[in-house]
Amino acid sequence: AQSVTQLGSHVSVSEGALVLLRCNYSSSVPPYLFWYVQYPNQGLQLLLKYTSAATLVKGINGFEAEFKKSETSFHLTKPSAHMSDAAEYFCAVSGGRGGADGLTFGKGTHLIIQP
Amino acid sequence: DGGITQSPKYLFRKEGQNVTLSCEQNLNHDAMYWYRQDPGQGLRLIYYSQIVNDFQKGDIAEGYSVSREKKESFPLTVTSAQKNPTAFYLCASKEGYSTDTQYFGPGTRLTVL
Repeated sequence: AQSVTQLGSHVSVSEGALVLLRCNYSSSVPPYLFWYVQYPNQGLQLLLKYTSAATLVKGINGFEAEFKKSETSFHLTKPSAHMSDAAEYFCAVSGGRGGADGLTFGKGTHLIIQP
Repeated sequence: DGGITQSPKYLFRKEGQNVTLSCEQNLNHDAMYWYRQDPGQGLRLIYYSQIVNDFQKGDIAEGYSVSREKKESFPLTVTSAQKNPTAFYLCASKEGYSTDTQYFGPGTRLTVL
């Protein structure tokens, strides 16, 4: 069974500051990990994914995440926050139920950007 | 343009009525999914389908039903047995391997009056 824990339902940072959104996972099989972003009343858009290649993964909009097996973590970072980054962010894990399995999501982190 | 469409965007239902949410994709993906999103709860898997004429229950299938008669279509019916159906429903699809990206539709917001 898999699970995802996102620490902090709301994170507030100043424009230009570092963004750090935390994600810890639990998986009984080698995990594939994803970060998605959601703007109000819209679907989810993929930011980046880890599929057992490089542990540091670069995504869109300047975001990146590092897979740390020893810490079972996949934290999302961005060096300098922009007002347009304000959104809901979801970490998700895949790896069960065979090849076309669904994702298990964390509860999400709402990122607030202060001007 | 390739993508996933969901309709309608907003849907209102009276208690005791069944309602069907549409999901269509032209990405030629084998696998399709339905998720339910509630505030502060993340997304939870309702049903998924790996191939035509086959589907499996997810974590919260009670009160829902699906069909997969065509590769591009995966409609979800919310039945009167679903005790708390007011939510945001998201459809997704992917090619079929665990490493593949799931692509999401724009969602349908269902409100029970």
